[in-house]
Amino acid sequence: GNSVTQMEGPVTLSEEAFLTINCTYTATGYPSLFWYVQYPGEGLQLLLKATKADDKGSNKGFEATYRKETTSFHLEKGSVQVSDSAVYFCALILSGTYKYIFGTGTRLKVLA
Amino acid sequence: EAGVAQSPRYKIIEKRQSVAFWCNPISGHATLYWYQQILGQGPKLLIQFQNNGVVDDSQLPKDRFSAERLKGVDSTLKIQPAKLEDSAVYLCASSSDRDRGGANVLTFGAGSRLTVL
Repeated sequence: GNSVTQMEGPVTLSEEAFLTINCTYTATGYPSLFWYVQYPGEGLQLLLKATKADDKGSNKGFEATYRKETTSFHLEKGSVQVSDSAVYFCALILSGTYKYIFGTGTRLKVLA
Repeated sequence: EAGVAQSPRYKIIEKRQSVAFWCNPISGHATLYWYQQILGQGPKLLIQFQNNGVVDDSQLPKDRFSAERLKGVDSTLKIQPAKLEDSAVYLCASSSDRDRGGANVLTFGAGSRLTVL
């Protein structure tokens, strides 16, 4: 079936460290891929997206590349800040539908 | 533009009581979703509306949960009677249908946190 798998957290980093959160997916067809972020006490909000293979989504210093050959969409940031502390969700939407599938989320804690 | 509005933000009830949540999506967004997010888990789709019609309610526990979207705008989600395992955050989201099947971005509300005692 269709699914999204992300690394378990929490991920704890010092400020200015390099971040990678792994995400792999299983899906029929050609899904669009997303990263959503949830700050404490808030709903999810879109961080970045990619709609086809080799697309790179980027926003606020975060990047992720749609890798069809490895069915992955890993999230990276070169230098994290305390304000990046949040829960990050990888997600896909099946082509031709509005049906989203979310991963379980990865909590990131950035220490000053 | 105004965001997705939800109320109440917090609700505490005892098991077997009933509760209702309200959502007002972004103006013009045809698709509305209700998700259940249990602590430490990702959002789980309960029901999806396209305008005022139901597209997917396969994971809605229909013996106790109901939802409606009047006139294709506001929506309410009701739980009756509540169980302990219904304790969760109920997220409403909406999206435009202009990006059909592609980069269809969801805009979420802040959520309604339900505690069932």
